[in-house]
Amino acid sequence: GNSVTQMEGPVTLSEEAFLTINCTYTATGYPSLFWYVQYPGEGLQLLLKATKADDKGSNKGFEATYRKETTSFHLEKGSVQVSDSAVYFCALSDQGGTSYGKLTFGQGTILTVHP
Amino acid sequence: EAQVTQNPRYLITVTGKKLTVTCSQNMNHEYMSWYRQDPGLGLRQIYYSMNVEVTDKGDVPEGYKVSRKEKRNFPLILESPSPNQTSLYFCASRSGGQGETQYFGPGTRLLVL
Repeated sequence: GNSVTQMEGPVTLSEEAFLTINCTYTATGYPSLFWYVQYPGEGLQLLLKATKADDKGSNKGFEATYRKETTSFHLEKGSVQVSDSAVYFCALSDQGGTSYGKLTFGQGTILTVHP
Repeated sequence: EAQVTQNPRYLITVTGKKLTVTCSQNMNHEYMSWYRQDPGLGLRQIYYSMNVEVTDKGDVPEGYKVSRKEKRNFPLILESPSPNQTSLYFCASRSGGQGETQYFGPGTRLLVL
């Protein structure tokens, strides 16, 4: 079956530091890949996505590239801000089989950014 | 404003007392689903619906029921809640295929005593 593995957290950084959150996946078909963000007390919001190999998703200074050869979709940001403190989820959606585009999530990575 | 709404946002109940969590979306989306979020496990799908009167089990359906009588509404029903259903629940909706974005509600935090 499909699965998503994220790097262990929590991650604590100082403002303006470089961020990488690793994400690797296993899928039987040709998945779309997503990063969702959850701010404290809120639901999940789409941060960025990529629907085919070598696509790069980007938003709010965050980037991730769909690497089929390494089955990875690592999230990066060059300079984090305190307002980026949140939980980040990597997820995949696979139309193959009977999943009908169900989202399969990683366990989430808590990011805390200090001033 | 395009949104997914859930009610209630917080609920404390006792074992065995039936409850319903409502979910509504105003985007005319065909696909809706329910997830539960537990620490260290991410989100797991409970049930989903491809359209009105079409529902199916997700990864963790035991102890839950759903219905889809109208396109905009997708309630989650716990007939006899148990403490292991204490969790944070999210409703989501999507239009189109697997590459499309899912929009999430604000969540319902449930405590079963």
